[in-house]
Amino acid sequence: GQQLNQSPQSMFIQEGEDVSMNCTSSSIFNTWLWYKQDPGEGPVLLIALYKAGELTSNGRLTAQFGITRKDSFLNISASIPSDVGIYFCAGPIFGSGNTGKLIFGQGTTLQVKP
Amino acid sequence: GAGVSQSPRYKVAKRGQDVALRCDPISGHVSLFWYQQALGQGPEFLTYFQNEAQLDKSGLPSDRFFAERPEGSVSTLKIQRTQQEDSAVYLCASSLTTMAGAFFGQGTRLTVV
Repeated sequence: GQQLNQSPQSMFIQEGEDVSMNCTSSSIFNTWLWYKQDPGEGPVLLIALYKAGELTSNGRLTAQFGITRKDSFLNISASIPSDVGIYFCAGPIFGSGNTGKLIFGQGTTLQVKP
Repeated sequence: GAGVSQSPRYKVAKRGQDVALRCDPISGHVSLFWYQQALGQGPEFLTYFQNEAQLDKSGLPSDRFFAERPEGSVSTLKIQRTQQEDSAVYLCASSLTTMAGAFFGQGTRLTVV
């Protein structure tokens, strides 16, 4: 079935370091979304990508929609303690059109050491 | 309201008890989604409404799960005869259009004991 695989599963980095995580799928996606979830909160949308090859930035965050449409990556530059959380990639469930029904990866947990 | 509001934030239910989880979406948002998030996992789709119409309930795990949105705004997810495997965070999300990128509420953490 449709699956999103995120790597790494977890990261423990020093404050100020850059972070890179990615998301891959065996099926093609037309939209890639990156969310961040803090403990006890719901996911918050960080970046949305709608076109193969698209590179989009949001402050210190940069995400790219892979050319094959089967992958995406998220980079965080100069990490700070508040970047701690779980990062999820997500995309439309196959066959759901533009309804907004999403499938999520299993998440990358980021911990930042001050 | 300013964001998606869910209540209660936490619910402990005895096995076999019925529960009702409430979602107040952002005012004017047409689409409303319910997701289930098990510990250490990403959210999984349960059901989807467009206004008051439930267009997709393919993700509901059993017929003990029921969702409604009678007036196209507030939605309730009801779980009958709760089981331990129902323990999870239940997330509600809403969006203005049918495009992806919905806003999520804080979730209701359900623990069945």
